[in-house]
Amino acid sequence: SYVLTQPPSVSVAPGKTARITCGGNNIGSKSVHWYQQKPGQAPVLVIYYDSDRPSGIPERFSGSNSGNTATLTISRVEAGDEADYYCQVWDSSSDHNVFGTGTKVTVL
Amino acid sequence: EVQLVESGGGLVQPGGSLRLSCAASGFTFSDHYMDWVRQAPGKGLEWVGRTRNKANSYTTEYAASVKGRFTISRDDSKNSLYLQMNSLKTEDTAVYYCARVVDSHVFDYWGQGTLVTVSS
Repeated sequence: SYVLTQPPSVSVAPGKTARITCGGNNIGSKSVHWYQQKPGQAPVLVIYYDSDRPSGIPERFSGSNSGNTATLTISRVEAGDEADYYCQVWDSSSDHNVFGTGTKVTVL
Repeated sequence: EVQLVESGGGLVQPGGSLRLSCAASGFTFSDHYMDWVRQAPGKGLEWVGRTRNKANSYTTEYAASVKGRFTISRDDSKNSLYLQMNSLKTEDTAVYYCARVVDSHVFDYWGQGTLVTVSS
């Protein structure tokens, strides 16, 4: 089955840039979606199709995808961005959805 | 406003059964695929399975970890999604979310989740 690997944690100072990676075999050939989950809440879609933002998501959130790594970038990080972030793809070979292992973003 | 509200969670013994429901409103439920996703305490998200829409014959897919034990169904007349869970194991303990799917594989709306605890 397809595996998506994320770093367990990323720490960033307010106002700086956080980059969260999602590694998978030839992930650049797939569409990657990203979700933000704050403690005790349901996940929220923040990026879809690699780099598109749903309405209401700040422009500070952006995404890219190439080769074996997809990246979620959060610019000008704010305290409210502290959360767990998950990448997700649809694995066509199994017709299953797959989530990454998740990354906890801590704002210092 | 799109709303998804799960219900039916609770405490069940290993080997037991439970049926979760997800009530949808604010959109044309029958047009959409609907998925279940779960999250064990302190762990990450795990995809459980999906039901496609009528146009795709209501076909279903399941994660290997639940295939043969869980059944996903829907009632478009009631705007409701269901998850029948049989032969429950302690490792099925999790918060279960229903999620609306767009473009076949983007989860654009999620319910608040319902907790299932499998324990003796």
